[in-house]
Order: sequence, then structure tokens, then C-alpha cells
Amino acid sequence: AQSVSQHNHHVILSEAASLELGCNYSYGGTVNLFWYVQYPGQHLQLLLKYFSGDPLVKGIKGFEAEFIKSKFSFNLRKPSVQWSDTAEYFCAVNDDAGNMLTFGGGTRLMVKP
Amino acid sequence: ETGVTQSPTHLIKTRGQQVTLRCSSQSGHNTVSWYQQALGQGPQFIFQYYREEENGRGNFPPRFSGLQFPNYSSELNVNALELDDSALYLCASVPDRVGEQYFGPGTRLTVT
Repeated sequence: AQSVSQHNHHVILSEAASLELGCNYSYGGTVNLFWYVQYPGQHLQLLLKYFSGDPLVKGIKGFEAEFIKSKFSFNLRKPSVQWSDTAEYFCAVNDDAGNMLTFGGGTRLMVKP
Repeated sequence: ETGVTQSPTHLIKTRGQQVTLRCSSQSGHNTVSWYQQALGQGPQFIFQYYREEENGRGNFPPRFSGLQFPNYSSELNVNALELDDSALYLCASVPDRVGEQYFGPGTRLTVT
């Protein structure tokens, strides 16, 4: 069975600070990797995804993530956060069958203006 | 906006009752997945329907059941509600079984 762990449950940053959220997964086969964001009162939205190819993927709103296969990691980064990035962030994986997304427990990010 | 709609938005039920939640998938998507998101946790996969057939199930008891209709909309039914069933229930539509999942706004179920 696959599992996902997100190391930081709560992160507080000031505007313009750099962000890195950790995500590690366990699964022996080929995986697809995702980061979703849930803004307060809104539905889950896809930030970025990795299926294959360049392990450094760029998503919306200036976010990027790097897939490091040897470390089973897919960390999310943003060079300079804004107050509007305050949200909960979820890392997720699915396998080749593709029918089941396994989510991490989420990281709640608060950006102070 | 993802084009995925869910109803109702909020629901309060009593322990032991039954509930039906509904989801309309994005146009052209033939696959629907359902997730349960308890407070403070990540979503957990309940099951997926592909072309009206169950196509994978997570670690949920049989009192969680579903349906998908010819227009690819879907229902989640939960029988014999328990207090721990209180959660946000999310529906996601997928273009064709495998791929990016587009989430709806969810139904907040409270069991008292």
C-alpha cells in the first residue's frame, strides 16, 4: 500500500520569505505525484503534477516541486510567498492504476503580511 | 471552478440514519472518485466509479456504497451513520479513469 507523509503540519512565514514543504511517499512502483492547495472556504485545486520527464515541475502561482526518486520525495517550493498563499497544502500520489489518490495529512501555511 | 458540483452543501443527520450525497462530474469526464476528509486530515479515498462500475475501493466498510449513472453523475450512500462519519465528503471527476482529478466543493456531513 502506498503512503504519503508531510513533515510540517503548521508553517508560519512572513511575506517574501521562501517556502519549502516536505513530502515523502512510500511505494515500490511507478507513481504520479501531485500537490493540491485548499484555500479557506474553497475546493481543492491542483498546484502542479509530475507524471514523467523533467523532475523539476512548475505549477501555478509561482510554485515548483522537485521529484527525487532516490529519496522518494516531492518537495514543494516557492521563492517568495505572499499573504494570499495562506492555505492548506496537500501532497498526493497515485499509482499506474490511477484510480486512487493517497494524500498526506496536509500542511497549514499561514503567511503574515 | 472545476465544473464539478456537489449537493447538498451541508447536512446534519442523526446516528443510525442513512444519507445520500450527489455529485455531477465535469462535462466529458466518465470517472468519479469519492473521498472523505475528516477535520484536520487529508482526504481518504472511498471508491471510484468508471463507466457505471466500481473501479477500486479504499478501506471503508460496505455501508459506504455508490452509484454512477449513464450521464456519469454519481451518488455516495452511507447507511447506519456513526459519529465518526462526520466529515467533508469530496467528489472528483477524472477525464478517463487515469489522470488529474478535478474536485468539487464538498458536502459537509455532521452526524449527531
